[in-house]
Amino acid sequence: EAQVTQNPRYLITVTGKKLTVTCSQNMNHEYMSWYRQDPGLGLRQIYYSMNVEVTDKGDVPEGYKVSRKEKRNFPLILESPSPNQTSLYFCASSPGLAGGTDTQYFGPGTRLTVL
Amino acid sequence: GENVEQHPSTLSVQEGDSAVIKCTYSDSASNYFPWYKQELGKRPQLIIDIRSNVGEKKDQRIAVTLNKTAKHFSLHITETQPEDSAVYFCAASNWDNYGQNFVFGPGTRLSVLP
Repeated sequence: EAQVTQNPRYLITVTGKKLTVTCSQNMNHEYMSWYRQDPGLGLRQIYYSMNVEVTDKGDVPEGYKVSRKEKRNFPLILESPSPNQTSLYFCASSPGLAGGTDTQYFGPGTRLTVL
Repeated sequence: GENVEQHPSTLSVQEGDSAVIKCTYSDSASNYFPWYKQELGKRPQLIIDIRSNVGEKKDQRIAVTLNKTAKHFSLHITETQPEDSAVYFCAASNWDNYGQNFVFGPGTRLSVLP
């Protein structure tokens, strides 16, 4: 089944404790992206990647890191989480220009709480 | 950078009526405009999209119109049903050297009253 998976789905942590949220897609998509969703603000793009080793900042990259060492995986890293990073996080992928479509497929979401 | 505004923030309609949600964008380089539906506790799902070289697109009860000159695009849902109740997000996007930059509107909560 074609899908985007995220782990963990729920996470409660404390300020300053490094964490990684994994994202994986099995559709051989070139393009992957991370968003955070906060009430009243919609989805805001954190980072995106066109392919392996090609990444760029979205609108709200501060406090986050990403890596794209393999085409299928795009982990989101919070080196020193703070309470203002408490949010619902979505990973998404799309075939990209080479695939002929911009349609994004979203993962199920990760609800992160930083105490 | 791009800025996307969306109105209204909430919308209530009677079942069977039409609903219209409007978005404006600021960056003339944006060339792809998707609409997503998000039900409570679920992930966003694409319902329709339009590219900048097209003025209108329709899929059954859903249509999107784009006015590039005015930099606005709208979602039209006809013959609304209770299952259309959800939060709807518009987005504007363009490609750069690193990938696709998406900017979303803040969302519209649609309630279809039976």
